[in-house]
Amino acid sequence: GAVVSQHPSWVICKSGTSVKIECRSLDFQATTMFWYRQFPKQSLMLMATSNEGSKATYEQGVEKDKFLINHASLTLSTLTVTSAHPEDSSFYICSARSPQGSNQPQHFGDGTRLSIL
Amino acid sequence: EDQVTQSPEALRLQEGESSSLNCSYTVSGLRGLFWYRQDPGKGPEFLFTLYSAGEEKEKERLKATLTKKESFLHITAPKPEDSATYLCAVQAADSGYALNFGKGTSLLVTP
Repeated sequence: GAVVSQHPSWVICKSGTSVKIECRSLDFQATTMFWYRQFPKQSLMLMATSNEGSKATYEQGVEKDKFLINHASLTLSTLTVTSAHPEDSSFYICSARSPQGSNQPQHFGDGTRLSIL
Repeated sequence: EDQVTQSPEALRLQEGESSSLNCSYTVSGLRGLFWYRQDPGKGPEFLFTLYSAGEEKEKERLKATLTKKESFLHITAPKPEDSATYLCAVQAADSGYALNFGKGTSLLVTP
């Protein structure tokens, strides 16, 4: 069964709208979650690392004021794309990693397809 | 800078025709190399983690191997349901558990 749940799976909205995406870990408490973006035929690119109870760590070139991350509990991280524009259209995927042991893999949600008109 | 290069970009096999996918990597201190399978419109599904050169892991028709410079994903007697994109990712020792992905190999297995 699914270990990480992501919602919504598909969003279509007008330019200038803010969109919130939720990522929940179902089987374990995740102190760290990751947000990735994937363009067609491209690899997953890490956007930011979400840390429970503290500020997210953003990768170089990712605007923290544009992509707001909140990790308020051990099972939920949210990504808000603020004032979205067509160039923000992409496939956004989150992952979570069990903190038990250093050898745990990341488990991914099924992604959110964001289309900005 | 860490780099992950997968080849080929796309591979078409007939059912039962075995082959291998390659993942070449450079990383400053490897914590782990991961293989995932991704179906269209879905998130990656975990397959294997390899930690040190010489390590091998198997699952059904898949076998992953690791050297100091590359990893192979061997597919034995593939079936149409093995069609997917296979992603390789490395985790550097100083990455805080973040993954650096290759672009993937798109595999199509025809009946």
